[in-house]
Amino acid sequence: GAGVSQSPSNKVTEKGKDVELRCDPISGHTALYWYRQSLGQGLEFLIYFQGNSAPDKSGLPSDRFSAERTGGSVSTLTIQRTQQEDSAVYLCASSLNSITEAFFGQGTRLTVV
Amino acid sequence: GDSVTQMEGPVTLSEEAFLTINCTYTATGYPSLFWYVQYPGEGLQLLLKATKADDKGSNKGFEATYRKETTSFHLEKGSVQVSDSAVYFCALRGLTGGGNKLTFGTGTQLKVEL
Repeated sequence: GAGVSQSPSNKVTEKGKDVELRCDPISGHTALYWYRQSLGQGLEFLIYFQGNSAPDKSGLPSDRFSAERTGGSVSTLTIQRTQQEDSAVYLCASSLNSITEAFFGQGTRLTVV
Repeated sequence: GDSVTQMEGPVTLSEEAFLTINCTYTATGYPSLFWYVQYPGEGLQLLLKATKADDKGSNKGFEATYRKETTSFHLEKGSVQVSDSAVYFCALRGLTGGGNKLTFGTGTQLKVEL
């Protein structure tokens, strides 16, 4: 596609439920990132995929968070047993390779009630 | 590890004023440096970039020069407009040690008034 696509754009879930957030990167981009942006805060790094290398998971805040990237393209971020503090905008970005600039999607706004 | 420090906002300016948003960094090796902008209600967009020392990135009247000696990448614009009101994020892409992930500063909100 023309840009990074994320779905859903908005998600409201009850505390304790699991959620899946999807990211479709720009075609041909080998690097994919997930970030989290809480209200009025900066960008918190979550996880980074680069080609076939093992992902950098150093930013995942707890073992309730996981992500996978199938076939080097689409990525899914899963949050299990959601908590209210998980409420944020989850941003996905992709880049052509490991040294070029990243392009961001519009984000998924997650609200845990 | 890699880190980016940028001036806290909000920064409030009158239209046509000169803008500087300071950004300094800590990184291993020679990172690439970026400024991203987030307009109200929109996603992050790349504003400009510089990939090596003394490079100057420029776009839409904004400029930033990669200063390795001061580890800085300050954003400047000679005459701001109301439409420049947004949050600006400085970021680096580490080439060694940092694992290539993008590290962002906390963002600086700019408000431009008539």
